[in-house]
Parts: sequence; C-alpha cells; structure tokens
Amino acid sequence: AQTVTQSQPEMSVQEAETVTLSCTYDTSENNYYLFWYKQPPSRQMILVIRQEAYKQQNATENRFSVNFQKAAKSFSLKISDSQLGDTAMYFCAFMIGAQGGSEKLVFGKGMKLTVNP
Amino acid sequence: AAGVIQSPRHLIKEKRETATLKCYPIPRHDTVYWYQQGPGQDPQFLISFYEKMQSDKGSIPDRFSAQQFSDYHSELNMSSLELGDSALYFCASSANLGPEQFFGPGTRLTVL
Repeated sequence: AQTVTQSQPEMSVQEAETVTLSCTYDTSENNYYLFWYKQPPSRQMILVIRQEAYKQQNATENRFSVNFQKAAKSFSLKISDSQLGDTAMYFCAFMIGAQGGSEKLVFGKGMKLTVNP
Repeated sequence: AAGVIQSPRHLIKEKRETATLKCYPIPRHDTVYWYQQGPGQDPQFLISFYEKMQSDKGSIPDRFSAQQFSDYHSELNMSSLELGDSALYFCASSANLGPEQFFGPGTRLTVL
C-alpha cells in the first residue's frame, strides 16, 4: 500500500517570501505520479503541479516548483513570491501510473499555509 | 473552460434518510472518481468508474452505491444515513490520456 506523509501540519510566511512544503511517500511501484493540490477556504481542490516519476527534471508552474528526489522518496513544493491568495491547505498526493486510467489518489494529511501581509 | 459540476452543493438530511449526489464530468472525460473528506481530514477515495464500469473501490460503506451513466455523469446513492456520513463529497474526472484528476466544487452533506 502507498502512504503519503506531510510532517508539518502548519506553516506561515510573509508575503513575497519563499516557502517550501515537504512531503515524503512510500511505495514499491516504479511508475507513478505525484501531485500537489491546494484547498483554499472555499474548499475547492485545485491542482497545483504534477510530477511523473520517470522524469528526472523537476516540474515548474510559474511560482510553483518541486524538488523531486526519487531515491529518497521526497517531493517538496516551493512557492516563490508568496501571495495572500496562496493561503490554503496543501495536500500532497500519490497515484500509481497505469494504462487505462482510473487510478485513485492517495493524499497526505495536508498542511495549512498562511501568507501574512 | 468547462469544469466538473456537482449537485446539490449543500444537502441536509436526517439520520436513516437517503441521499443522491450527482456529478457531471468535464466533457470528453471518461473516468469519474468519488472522494469523501471529513472535517479536518484529507480526501478519502470511495469509488471510481471508467467507461461506465466500476474500476476501483475504496473504503465505501455497503450502504453507499454508485454508477456511471451512458452520458458519463455519475450518481452516488447513500442510504440509512448516519451522523458520521457528514462530510464534503468530491467528484473528480479525468481523461484516459492523462493522469490529472480535476475536482468539482463538492457537495457538503450534513446529517442531523
């Protein structure tokens, strides 16, 4: 079974600063995907970024980037130039990669990020 | 761009009643997932459908059932509701060509 661990329950950062959210996972699979989802106070689940396990290059999406360390089973999210709208719960999630789709997401417990003005 | 639609957005039921939650996936998405998120919890996978067939099942109580229809929309039927069923229920959809799951806004179910 796959597990996802987010050891920091809560963090705060000043606006315009950089913050890193940590995530570790455990799996015996070799083909998988990792995701970061954001859940603002509206409770909507918003996909932030995705990483394929077979890719060595770290994914980036504007101010969001990841540090994927496959051997260490670590997948951290870096948010640069933090904005007030980044205040949310952040969930790290794992998915086995398979043909034919329909693979479930396994989530970590989440981390509450507060961006202060 | 079109997103996943869920209805109703809010639902209040009494214990032992039944509830039906509906999900309309993004057009041309063939896979639907249901997740349950309790207060202060992470989303937990319930069940998924691919091309109208059940493809995976998680921690879904026997009191719950679901199906995907010919137009790809899905319904989650919940019977004999319990207080512990109070949660946010998400539907997500994906296309077979990619791993991303896109979530709907959720249905907040309150059981009194």
